[in-house]
Amino acid sequence: QKEVEQNSGPLSVPEGAIASLNCTYSDRVSQSFFWYRQYSGKSPELIMSIYSNGDKEDGRFTAQLNKASQYVSLLIRDSQPSDSATYLCAVNMGGNNRLAFGKGNQVVVIP
Amino acid sequence: EPEVTQTPSHQVTQMGQEVILRCVPISNHLYFYWYRQILGQKVEFLVSFYNNEISEKSEIFDDQFSVERPDGSNFTLKIRSTKLEDSAMYFCASTNTYEQYFGPGTRLTVT
Repeated sequence: QKEVEQNSGPLSVPEGAIASLNCTYSDRVSQSFFWYRQYSGKSPELIMSIYSNGDKEDGRFTAQLNKASQYVSLLIRDSQPSDSATYLCAVNMGGNNRLAFGKGNQVVVIP
Repeated sequence: EPEVTQTPSHQVTQMGQEVILRCVPISNHLYFYWYRQILGQKVEFLVSFYNNEISEKSEIFDDQFSVERPDGSNFTLKIRSTKLEDSAMYFCASTNTYEQYFGPGTRLTVT
């Protein structure tokens, strides 16, 4: 079983719409969860961290965590063309805090 | 805003040669990491480093790899005898908590 799974294919959303991304993880003891944005050819950029069940909002981004279901999601409200990127879900695997990454979801915002 | 820096941005080397990738973590951070990303694939953990020693390493991090903190600012990854399959983006990350901040990466091309 993969440590972190992001199964959705590329997501195309019109400008101004909501983009919704999902992620599941396998290790029940994980406590820290992150969303990174990666533009093509660039490095991962941390955009959200979440540690407790429920929602966490930061600007146009909302992260949601459900530890019982081992599920993390990211909502991007009022999507802008600059949001077009690959979004990586990352889970802290404990111990020495290595991150396990999903393969990412590509988001394309259409003007 | 402090950031992780990496040099060189692009390194081309011949198979069997040694390469050293350099990183300057954020100055007050104590935990350092190397990750790699093969083109089109997910980000993979290589090694974590704390208190001048390796705290965790992945299966990828075999005897060909080593890390060092030669002074108070630099953190290096050495690959002793490069293989074609070592071609990838190599990212350094650092943190003092759980949120890891990534450098811009070094693109390693092994020919």
